[in-house]
Amino acid sequence: RKEVEQDPGPFNVPEGATVAFNCTYSNSASQSFFWYRQDCRKEPKLLMSVYSSGNEDGRFTAQLNRASQYISLLIRDSKLSDSATYLCVVRERGSTLGRLYFGRGTQLTVWP
Amino acid sequence: GAGVSQSPSNKVTEKGKDVELRCDPISGHTALYWYRQSLGQGLEFLIYFQGNSAPDKSGLPSDRFSAERTGGSVSTLTIQRTQQEDSAVYLCASSLGGSGGAFFGQGTRLTVV
Repeated sequence: RKEVEQDPGPFNVPEGATVAFNCTYSNSASQSFFWYRQDCRKEPKLLMSVYSSGNEDGRFTAQLNRASQYISLLIRDSKLSDSATYLCVVRERGSTLGRLYFGRGTQLTVWP
Repeated sequence: GAGVSQSPSNKVTEKGKDVELRCDPISGHTALYWYRQSLGQGLEFLIYFQGNSAPDKSGLPSDRFSAERTGGSVSTLTIQRTQQEDSAVYLCASSLGGSGGAFFGQGTRLTVV
């Protein structure tokens, strides 16, 4: 069983649309949660951390549900530049003391 | 430097040769990670350092792969007797301690011919 599971997509949406990505993780002892974006043939870039209370950064809203072990990312008013692969990332407690687990990513294409 | 620096950016090597990939993390970042990514695939974990020690090296694919980190800073990933299946982008990331998000370098694209 994978540590982090994501719907691979692809999601194809028009500009201005709202799109949501979901992610589940298997280890209830997980400590920290993040969303990254990765453009084609580029390195992943940290988009935002995810907090239990939910957090927002401009058009992006992240939510965490620890009871369900579920993380989400909502993008409002999609832009062409949002086209990328979005990676869900979880850091665990325990002996590995900080190893990051990456999902396979969800591909988003925003079309004009 | 301002970000994570990896060198070389590209490396073409002949099958059977050894290669060394270097990662210079963000100054002050104690955690350092190595991943690799094949074209169109997800990130594959290789090894994680906290300071100079590696609490998790479970992702190293074989004993041809080794990594070290000295002075709590620069890390070197060594692949001995390279094989064609080692061809991938090798990505290094660092984070402040074991709690914050990690920042990636631009990667080393390794091609084994």
